[in-house]
Amino acid sequence: AQKITQTQPGMFVQEKEAVTLDCTYDTSDQSYGLFWYKQPSSGEMIFLIYQGSYDEQNATEGRYSLNFQKARKSANLVISASQLGDSAMYFCAMREGPGRDDKIIFGKGTRLHILP
Amino acid sequence: NAGVTQTPKFRVLKTGQSMTLLCAQDMNHEYMYWYRQDPGMGLRLIHYSVGEGTTAKGEVPDGYNVSRLKKQNFLLGLESAAPSQTSVYFCASSYLGLASGDTQYFGPGTRLTVL
Repeated sequence: AQKITQTQPGMFVQEKEAVTLDCTYDTSDQSYGLFWYKQPSSGEMIFLIYQGSYDEQNATEGRYSLNFQKARKSANLVISASQLGDSAMYFCAMREGPGRDDKIIFGKGTRLHILP
Repeated sequence: NAGVTQTPKFRVLKTGQSMTLLCAQDMNHEYMYWYRQDPGMGLRLIHYSVGEGTTAKGEVPDGYNVSRLKKQNFLLGLESAAPSQTSVYFCASSYLGLASGDTQYFGPGTRLTVL
């Protein structure tokens, strides 16, 4: 079974609208972390936001927020007031387990297109 | 600060040749990572290091070796390149590591083609 599932291969959204990118995960660990990354067409990877499994509040970073629903094992990324520069691939990723083991699994990504 | 740099940016190899990719960071980060990204896929972790002199296997370590002799450098070696290793390789570093949710800083990537 896939550890990280991103069901939307591509999305088109009008500029200034809010966007929700879906991510579901599969783990039996109690301690884990969820990450979102952005990859513009130029190719670099940019860290956006992180949510720990024990964090009670949803993470927020500027226009990015993570809608964390632990019981449903979902960690959707919400981008408010989308901009043309938000057009990119977005990857959800998960790190499992406590300790210094720093393995991370990525989903296949969602390509977001912001329309003017 | 240069951040995370990768050398080379592009490389074409013939099957069976060897090469080393160099990743350097000037942020005094403990954690360093090597990933590969294939078309239409997310990144897959090859190897990582939690400090100078330490290395550990990731999701897809076969066919690769790594060394972290100096804190600022993380080398990825291909001893006998195969066409299946054609990919874009990304290096990343982090101060506190993924367990703390710390930011990963990525290099620009190395595009490797194995003929």
